[in-house]
Amino acid sequence: AQKVTQAQTEISVVEKEDVTLDCVYETRDTTYYLFWYKQPPSGELVFLIRRNSFDEQNEISGRYSWNFQKSTSSFNFTITASQVVDSAVYFCALSETTYNQGGKLIFGQGTELSVKP
Amino acid sequence: GAGVSQSPRYKVAKRGQDVALRCDPISGHVSLFWYQQALGQGPEFLTYFQNEAQLDKSGLPSDRFFAERPEGSVSTLKIQRTQQEDSAVYLCASSLDNQGFGYTFGSGTRLTVV
Repeated sequence: AQKVTQAQTEISVVEKEDVTLDCVYETRDTTYYLFWYKQPPSGELVFLIRRNSFDEQNEISGRYSWNFQKSTSSFNFTITASQVVDSAVYFCALSETTYNQGGKLIFGQGTELSVKP
Repeated sequence: GAGVSQSPRYKVAKRGQDVALRCDPISGHVSLFWYQQALGQGPEFLTYFQNEAQLDKSGLPSDRFFAERPEGSVSTLKIQRTQQEDSAVYLCASSLDNQGFGYTFGSGTRLTVV
């Protein structure tokens, strides 16, 4: 069965600190996709990144970076020099490429990040 | 529209009441999903439509939950005889194709059953 685990329920940091959000996943498929979403207090899920299972290259986008390691089934997310506006709940998610499922997402429980000034 | 629109934004229902939640996906999006997000939890899959066909309803928690997308555009999630455990945010998402590309979520409907 597919499963996503985000072991950190809450993280609190001071502005400008670096912070890493952990994500571990389980799947029996060889082809799958991994996602990170941000959910601010307004409630809408904001897409951050999508990676496929064949691309293990780390990715950097501004202050955000992602470390994908198939050997440990992990897809961790790092925010460098955190800012107050980064405060939100972050979700890691997994989808499989099964036609009839259309890419439905399996979400982790989320990590609530609080960045204090 | 530019994004996925859900209405109402908030709904309070008395236990036993029927409710209907509406989702307007992005125009031209083939796939439409409904998710349920309980307080402090991650969203959980309810059902999936590809155009007007409901291809997966494995996540619907009981036969009180029913979803439709009759013309392959707007979708309605209906909950009959609401119970307190149905209180949650109901999120709708649409996707450009059937592989999950261009996934966009709406802001959700917060349902409170009293």
